Amino acid sequence: DQQVKQNSPSLSVQEGRISILNCDYTNSMFDYFLWYKKYPAEGPTFLISISSIKDKNEDGRFTVFLNKSAKHLSLHIVPSQPGDSAVYFCAASEEGGSEKLVFGKGTKLTVNP
Amino acid sequence: NAGVTQTPKFQVLKTGQSMTLQCAQDMNHNSMYWYRQDPGMGLRLIYYSASEGTTDKGEVPNGYNVSRLNKREFSLRLESAAPSQTSVYFCASSEAWQTGRTQYFGPGTRLLVL
Repeated sequence: DQQVKQNSPSLSVQEGRISILNCDYTNSMFDYFLWYKKYPAEGPTFLISISSIKDKNEDGRFTVFLNKSAKHLSLHIVPSQPGDSAVYFCAASEEGGSEKLVFGKGTKLTVNP
Repeated sequence: NAGVTQTPKFQVLKTGQSMTLQCAQDMNHNSMYWYRQDPGMGLRLIYYSASEGTTDKGEVPNGYNVSRLNKREFSLRLESAAPSQTSVYFCASSEAWQTGRTQYFGPGTRLLVL
């Protein structure tokens, strides 16, 4: 049973426009959520995170929104740049002290010049 | 400060051969992890180690063993490789008081089992 779902395998946007990547989860015990970015032939790199006590966290061009009642989070990138083209993974962590993460399958973002 | 390093970068094995993937971190993190990434499957946890001397199974541990050699190093061993273990393997580390639940990843080892 997939606890973290990224239902869009791919997304294509124009440079300068907004990119919105979505993630749904099923485990109500998740209380911390992260987004990672991965370029080909490299390891994932941490992008932004949000605690369940918040509904929004912003870092420059990246904003993550959390809707706990819907068990849904989204990553907004504004404005999108060609260098943002990568695979984005949503991950979640359960309360209780464990640092284990559960990852979604990823969304490949392509930003066209 | 190299972060998380992994060796080798790429390896080809024949079915039944064994090998050890090495991982080291220089961030003084207590927790370390091994993941595999397969096309369309995301990252799946194989084993993790919450501290030196402890290891626990993750989501897909079958066919693998691990050793937490010391605080810096966490190795993953394939005793008898199978084609289903063809994948990209990532090592990661974290430290709750320092990084929260953020994990830092190595560059990966690409393994092909023929």
